[in-house]
Amino acid sequence: DGGITQSPKYLFRKEGQNVTLSCEQNLNHDAMYWYRQDPGQGLRLIYYSQIVNDFQKGDIAEGYSVSREKKESFPLTVTSAQKNPTAFYLCASLKGADGTEAFFGQGTRLTVV
Amino acid sequence: QKEVEQDPGPLSVPEGAIVSLNCTYSNSAFQYFMWYRQYSRKGPELLMYTYSSGNKEDGRFTAQVDKSSKYISLFIRDSQPSDSATYLCAMSISSGNTPLVFGKGTRLSVIA
Repeated sequence: DGGITQSPKYLFRKEGQNVTLSCEQNLNHDAMYWYRQDPGQGLRLIYYSQIVNDFQKGDIAEGYSVSREKKESFPLTVTSAQKNPTAFYLCASLKGADGTEAFFGQGTRLTVV
Repeated sequence: QKEVEQDPGPLSVPEGAIVSLNCTYSNSAFQYFMWYRQYSRKGPELLMYTYSSGNKEDGRFTAQVDKSSKYISLFIRDSQPSDSATYLCAMSISSGNTPLVFGKGTRLSVIA
């Protein structure tokens, strides 16, 4: 089955640690996105990538980093510089030139302990 | 003014009711309008997609776009308890790799 897989589903991080969230898609989509969802805040864009080896900052990129070495993969690293990392993180992919529908993964719940 | 405004609710209705969910927006360049449904602790899934102004119907769901008023709506007829979820509106300027801008979502509960 085609889709987007995020792992892990739940992640716990100690303060001061970097953690990496995985996002893999086998839909052959060009564009991939990372959103953060907090209660009452909706989805806020962290980073996005329209093509391999290229990515752009979204609205709340500070404290996060990404890479796009392969079309299928778009991992997100939450660094120690992110002051309030506890949130639900969603990865999405979008078809290319004629695509507007975004397909989402099932999310990763990150908690700082 | 935020780019996309959506009443977060919560909205509680009895089973069988007609539900109306709405979003307003400020950017007149938006042309593609979507409604996503998100169950608790899950990723959003696309429910309806509309290009420019007009109506689109799919089963019990109807999406309306009024670009002159910068207002979009989602109607759910004969609402069911399984419709209980958070509904997010989303929009974009163009097709093809343009990031979607989301509303905050409206939490809906349909009571049996």
